[in-house]
Amino acid sequence: QQQVKQSPQSLIVQKGGIPIINCAYENTAFDYFPWYQQFPGKGPALLIAIRPDVSEKKEGRFTISFNKSAKQFSLHIMDSQPGDSATYFCAASFTGTASKLTFGTGTRLQVTL
Amino acid sequence: KAGVTQTPRYLIKTRGQQVTLSCSPISGHRSVSWYQQTPGQGLQFLFEYFSETQRNKGNFPGRFSGRQFSNSRSEMNVSTLELGDSALYLCASSLSGRASGETQYFGPGTRLLVL
Repeated sequence: QQQVKQSPQSLIVQKGGIPIINCAYENTAFDYFPWYQQFPGKGPALLIAIRPDVSEKKEGRFTISFNKSAKQFSLHIMDSQPGDSATYFCAASFTGTASKLTFGTGTRLQVTL
Repeated sequence: KAGVTQTPRYLIKTRGQQVTLSCSPISGHRSVSWYQQTPGQGLQFLFEYFSETQRNKGNFPGRFSGRQFSNSRSEMNVSTLELGDSALYLCASSLSGRASGETQYFGPGTRLLVL
């Protein structure tokens, strides 16, 4: 049973554009929502994370928006660059099992010149 | 500080064989988790070890097993390999694996191909 749904599967934007990746979760016990970035041949790396008591979090060009009532959260990449081309995964976990991440299916982002 | 290391990086096996993958966590990290990544199923949690004990387990058959040593290094074993076991196997470590918001650091993975 997939507990975190992610869309779109792939995304192509021009340099400077603002790609948006969306995720929806089912388990209301989740209390930690990280986003991971993965480049080919590498393991996923934590990009930014949010808790459900916060509606928005910004770190550099990356912003998470969180809608607790809708059980949805999204990643926005401001002023996207070709170097942002990677696969992005949303994930969720809950207290006590923080090491057990439930991942979305991933979004392959390509930023063109 | 050195990151999570995994060996070997690539592995080719045939159906029916068994395989052992190794993971060395970041120094000081006591929780080690394993994930399977495939194009069709994405990233799926296999199991987590802490203090040499399996603490959490995902929905994988018993052919998938693991262990952790006193220095927190971990191994996972897959017996009677099937074609569907071809995947990237990722190891992640964290300090305790319990605290909400604790970052998991991933290794580069071991790519297993079963022929």
